[in-house]
Amino acid sequence: EAQVTQNPRYLITVTGKKLTVTCSQNMNHEYMSWYRQDPGLGLRQIYYSMNVEVTDKGDVPEGYKVSRKEKRNFPLILESPSPNQTSLYFCASSFVGGRRNYGYTFGSGTRLTVV
Amino acid sequence: QKEVEQDPGPLSVPEGAIVSLNCTYSNSAFQYFMWYRQYSRKGPELLMYTYSSGNKEDGRFTAQVDKSSKYISLFIRDSQPSDSATYLCAMSKGGNNRLAFGKGNQVVVIP
Repeated sequence: EAQVTQNPRYLITVTGKKLTVTCSQNMNHEYMSWYRQDPGLGLRQIYYSMNVEVTDKGDVPEGYKVSRKEKRNFPLILESPSPNQTSLYFCASSFVGGRRNYGYTFGSGTRLTVV
Repeated sequence: QKEVEQDPGPLSVPEGAIVSLNCTYSNSAFQYFMWYRQYSRKGPELLMYTYSSGNKEDGRFTAQVDKSSKYISLFIRDSQPSDSATYLCAMSKGGNNRLAFGKGNQVVVIP
């Protein structure tokens, strides 16, 4: 089944404790992206990657890091989480280029609480 | 002015009614227009995808794009309780694949 898999689904952590949220896709998509979703603010892009070893900042990158060492994986790293990073996080992927498909496939989400 | 404006609702309709949702946008460079459906505790899923202006129909769903007015719409005919979800509009210029999303519109279909 074509899908984007995020882990964990739920995470409660303490301020300052480094964490990683994993994302993996099995569709051979070049493009991968991380979003956070907050009430009243909608989906906001954190980072995106056009291909292996190519990453760039989205609209709200502060406090986050990413890496793209393999095409299928795009982990999100919070080096020193703070309470304002409590949110619902989504990973998404798609093909790049042309009219073939700009529609994203989203993961099921990771609900992160930082206390 | 925000890039994409979408009235967050919520919108409650009786079963069988037509649901009408819309978004306006400010960037005339957008060419690709999408609607996503998001059920509670799930990720958004692509519902409709349109390139440039015009209409697209898929079963009970119709997407319309009016680039001259910078306005897109989604219509759901014969709405069902299973259509209860949040609907997000999204659009892209192409190029770097970046999607600009509306904030989402919660729809409740009452049996």
